[in-house]
Amino acid sequence: AQTVTQSQPEMSVQEAETVTLSCTYDTSESNYYLFWYKQPPSRQMILVIRQEAYKQQNATENRFSVNFQKAAKSFSLKISDSQLGDTAMYFCAFMKHGYGDYKLSFGAGTTVTVRA
Amino acid sequence: EAGVVQSPRYKIIEKKQPVAFWCNPISGHNTLYWYLQNLGQGPELLIRYENEEAVDDSQLPKDRFSAERLKGVDSTLKIQPAELGDSAVYLCASSLDGGDTQYFGPGTRLTVL
Repeated sequence: AQTVTQSQPEMSVQEAETVTLSCTYDTSESNYYLFWYKQPPSRQMILVIRQEAYKQQNATENRFSVNFQKAAKSFSLKISDSQLGDTAMYFCAFMKHGYGDYKLSFGAGTTVTVRA
Repeated sequence: EAGVVQSPRYKIIEKKQPVAFWCNPISGHNTLYWYLQNLGQGPELLIRYENEEAVDDSQLPKDRFSAERLKGVDSTLKIQPAELGDSAVYLCASSLDGGDTQYFGPGTRLTVL
């Protein structure tokens, strides 16, 4: 079974500043996907970014970027130029690649608060 | 393009009562998931459908939970009878196929009194 650990329950950042969320995972698989999802108070789980394990290049989506360290099993999310709308709970998630087990395994989440 | 639709958004019931949740996935998505999210935690998979077939229901408490996706589109998740510990958010997600990115609905918040 895969486990995903987010060691920071809460983070606070000033508007326009940068914040980095940590995520580590434990797996014996070599081929998998990693995700960051954002869940604002409205509860809608929104995909932020996706990383394929076979790709060495770190994924980026506008102000969001990841630092994927496969050997260390680490997958951190950097939010640059933080905006008030970034306030939400952020979940790191893991999914095996290949036929069969396509469930997402989530971490416990990190609550991010952006201060004006 | 419409996203994943769920109803109701909120439901309050007395314990031992039945309750049902409905999900309409993104058009064309073959795979549908039901997740349970307890307060302050990440979602956990209850059941996964490939078209109308339940291909992973290992985490579904089958003594009281049931689900169906009769025509391979909409899905219903039912609890009968509900217990106090079932209070949680029930999330539906869909993907084009298994292994593709999952897109989530807004969830149903269930409160069992």
